[in-house]
Amino acid sequence: DAGVIQSPRHEVTEMGQEVTLRCKPISGHDYLFWYRQTMMRGLELLIYFNNNVPIDDSGMPEDRFSAKMPNASFSTLKIQPSEPRDSAVYFCASKWGATGELFFGEGSRLTVL
Amino acid sequence: GEDVEQSLFLSVREGDSSVINCTYTDSSSTYLYWYKQEPGAGLQLLTYIFSNMDMKQDQRLTVLLNKKDKHLSLRIADTQTGDSAIYFCASNQGGKLIFGQGTELSVKP
Repeated sequence: DAGVIQSPRHEVTEMGQEVTLRCKPISGHDYLFWYRQTMMRGLELLIYFNNNVPIDDSGMPEDRFSAKMPNASFSTLKIQPSEPRDSAVYFCASKWGATGELFFGEGSRLTVL
Repeated sequence: GEDVEQSLFLSVREGDSSVINCTYTDSSSTYLYWYKQEPGAGLQLLTYIFSNMDMKQDQRLTVLLNKKDKHLSLRIADTQTGDSAIYFCASNQGGKLIFGQGTELSVKP
């Protein structure tokens, strides 16, 4: 398997624009997580899904952020409108089972000017 | 609420042992993990310990768990320059993984 695949790897956009980050989890995994990493706040859990259903979205910063998982092989994280403080590396990760090993993608580095 | 805390930086000399510490608040954590992040990459699992264990050894890595104090540590023996990275501890709370801020380990030759 190719591992968790995220796109784009890098995105530079202007404040107010919509940003969509994409993730393809490892085939067969039933959990999918979105994390955000910044120097100031470390690695924050934004939302996670189990069997395509959002289980906990309490980490989503505000209504500008939304995440979907329309099927077992694809998830998106959308920011609309984007703001400079959203600049961070966004990681998608997946695993099989509640105690399985969590595999991370390479991350999407977002810069909002 | 859930919280996992680590010191931010550690600097050691090549060949010395490194000890990275972590505290967590949720006593229901079933598994505790150590992940490693190299520059520009995602996190990779290094090792883990089940909450009913107090020690686990895996080659140069030793994990100690003090469940009463909710304290976890990772010891790296004979630290090498290739061990320079950010190390994250994480607790598993019913399937959800909560990470600490990460400890940046710098290994000087």
